[in-house]
Amino acid sequence: DVKVTQSSRYLVKRTGEKVFLECVQDMDHENMFWYRQDPGLGLRLIYFSYDVKMKEKGDIPEGYSVSREKKERFSLILESASTNQTSMYLCASSLYPQPQHFGDGTRLSIL
Amino acid sequence: GNSVTQMEGPVTLSEEAFLTINCTYTATGYPSLFWYVQYPGEGLQLLLKATKADDKGSNKGFEATYRKETTSFHLEKGSVQVSDSAVYFCALTTRGTGNQFYFGTGTSLTVIP
Repeated sequence: DVKVTQSSRYLVKRTGEKVFLECVQDMDHENMFWYRQDPGLGLRLIYFSYDVKMKEKGDIPEGYSVSREKKERFSLILESASTNQTSMYLCASSLYPQPQHFGDGTRLSIL
Repeated sequence: GNSVTQMEGPVTLSEEAFLTINCTYTATGYPSLFWYVQYPGEGLQLLLKATKADDKGSNKGFEATYRKETTSFHLEKGSVQVSDSAVYFCALTTRGTGNQFYFGTGTSLTVIP
């Protein structure tokens, strides 16, 4: 069965810290995605990746970066965390034309 | 461009009531359409999908029909249960977008006994 694993379910960090969110998929999918989910705003795409070392900006990339050194792993990096980055972060992977498969999410709080 | 509009919630229904959640879309090209469900504290799970006009996706008693003429993909269930309480997302993807998905804002459903 398809499995997308996010490294943490809950994470608390301080303003100004560099934060890493990790996502691993076991389906050999080419495409991987990072979203944030906020009440009333639905899912917003931060970054996505078509292949190893490839990345594309989504709708809200400011304040974030990503890394994809291996096909199965896609990392989201908050360079200098701020309180407005407190949110639920969701990772997904896919192989066109199949549906995206999601991890369980990381609820990140920035204090 | 590509976008999805779904009815705003929250929606509250009594058990065994009929459910409809409206979804309309705009797409460049010929999209595939999906409904996802998110239970509290979890990620999104695929509920059903349809890849061409007039296809009907179905799962767990939920159904949705791909209507190209009205650019719609409304979700329906004949008799909801308390366990159906969740947030429902309509989504689309098209060829040439790197399998990028476009999601609606979600509709929260609460079913009361």
